[in-house]
Amino acid sequence: NAGVTQTPKFRVLKTGQSMTLLCAQDMNHEYMYWYRQDPGMGLRLIHYSVGEGTTAKGEVPDGYNVSRLKKQNFLLGLESAAPSQTSVYFCASSRGGDTDTQYFGPGTRLTVL
Amino acid sequence: GENVEQHPSTLSVQEGDSAVIKCTYSDSASNYFPWYKQELGKRPQLIIDIRSNVGEKKDQRIAVTLNKTAKHFSLHITETQPEDSAVYFCAPRAGKSTFGDGTTLTVKP
Repeated sequence: NAGVTQTPKFRVLKTGQSMTLLCAQDMNHEYMYWYRQDPGMGLRLIHYSVGEGTTAKGEVPDGYNVSRLKKQNFLLGLESAAPSQTSVYFCASSRGGDTDTQYFGPGTRLTVL
Repeated sequence: GENVEQHPSTLSVQEGDSAVIKCTYSDSASNYFPWYKQELGKRPQLIIDIRSNVGEKKDQRIAVTLNKTAKHFSLHITETQPEDSAVYFCAPRAGKSTFGDGTTLTVKP
């Protein structure tokens, strides 16, 4: 039981390049989330999903797209990376939405030059 | 959206002392109140949570108290140890979680 995993762990992009971050969970959770964490700050919600085939915007969705084609995977895409997207990205999942515990992945450190 | 504030932003205590971190929130619909611990370079990990029908919860040296009327909840750590040094986040939830900016706790041996 690996829990929540993220691929890749580190990535360096040039401005304008695109990339996809992959989050996978093996706990059969319905809800999945993408957060970003900037230095000295808390996590901010980018997008989330309440089930396979669904996505919704969070607090800071601009510049990102997501897809949840399979229940166990949640993909975060950057179509044209900008230096302002340099951050640590965390994925999380939970069984339900309201009062269920969120389990976090190990994070992806992204640098955009 | 939900406004979340944590106080203090930094806290330094002597080993064995107690530490208290307070989190205030704005959305009266919030019904889930977790605290996360994040060590440098690691993922946030849940250390304790409380649901809105409970006023206090304790787990060994850690406790959380909730005042829904005043819209705040607090993390209490007793008999602090150097390994408690980390950043602590509150993340009240009203549908979606909103994280505070964190409290850096340093426990001096």
